[in-house]
Amino acid sequence: QKEVEQDPGPLSVPEGAIVSLNCTYSNSAFQYFMWYRQYSRKGPELLMYTYSSGNKEDGRFTAQVDKSSKYISLFIRDSQPSDSATYLCAILTQGGSEKLVFGKGTKLTVNP
Amino acid sequence: NAGVMQNPRHLVRRRGQEARLRCSPMKGHSHVYWYRQLPEEGLKFMVYLQKENIIDESGMPKERFSAEFPKEGPSILRIQQVVRGDSAAYFCASSPNSPFTEAFFGQGTRLTVV
Repeated sequence: QKEVEQDPGPLSVPEGAIVSLNCTYSNSAFQYFMWYRQYSRKGPELLMYTYSSGNKEDGRFTAQVDKSSKYISLFIRDSQPSDSATYLCAILTQGGSEKLVFGKGTKLTVNP
Repeated sequence: NAGVMQNPRHLVRRRGQEARLRCSPMKGHSHVYWYRQLPEEGLKFMVYLQKENIIDESGMPKERFSAEFPKEGPSILRIQQVVRGDSAAYFCASSPNSPFTEAFFGQGTRLTVV
């Protein structure tokens, strides 16, 4: 089983829609969960991260972790065409050296 | 404070040549990570370095690939005798300390092997 799996998409929504992006992970010991945004031909950009469980909100973005089901989500409210990008979830492995393990990414297109 | 700088942005090599990818971390960052992104694939961890030390190279192919982060100068990812399968985007990230939560990625080097 892969350490983190992500809904493959692609996802196409109209402007103003609420977007839900999801990942599952395998190891209940993971504590840090990240969401990155990657525009075409650019490097990944950290959007937000959560520690342990619960929600974290930043403007139109909300990250949610459900440790009981090993499920992480990113919600985008009032989506804009500028949100069109690939969204990558990642978990931070610890115990030994730390490194990020990424999902394959979901390509999102927000249509004006 | 400039971001993580990677150069070159694009690199074309013929099969059998060597590729050298450079990464200058953000000022004050002493941790460097290299990732590879193949088409239609996610980012795959390759190696984690601190100044003059390789901390974790569990993601590096056993042959032809090496990395260093010297006391002075950028981190270098070296690929010897490149093959077509090495064509990918290579990203470097740096962070000031653990955990990785404050890491920033560079814009990547796109390697094409012809």
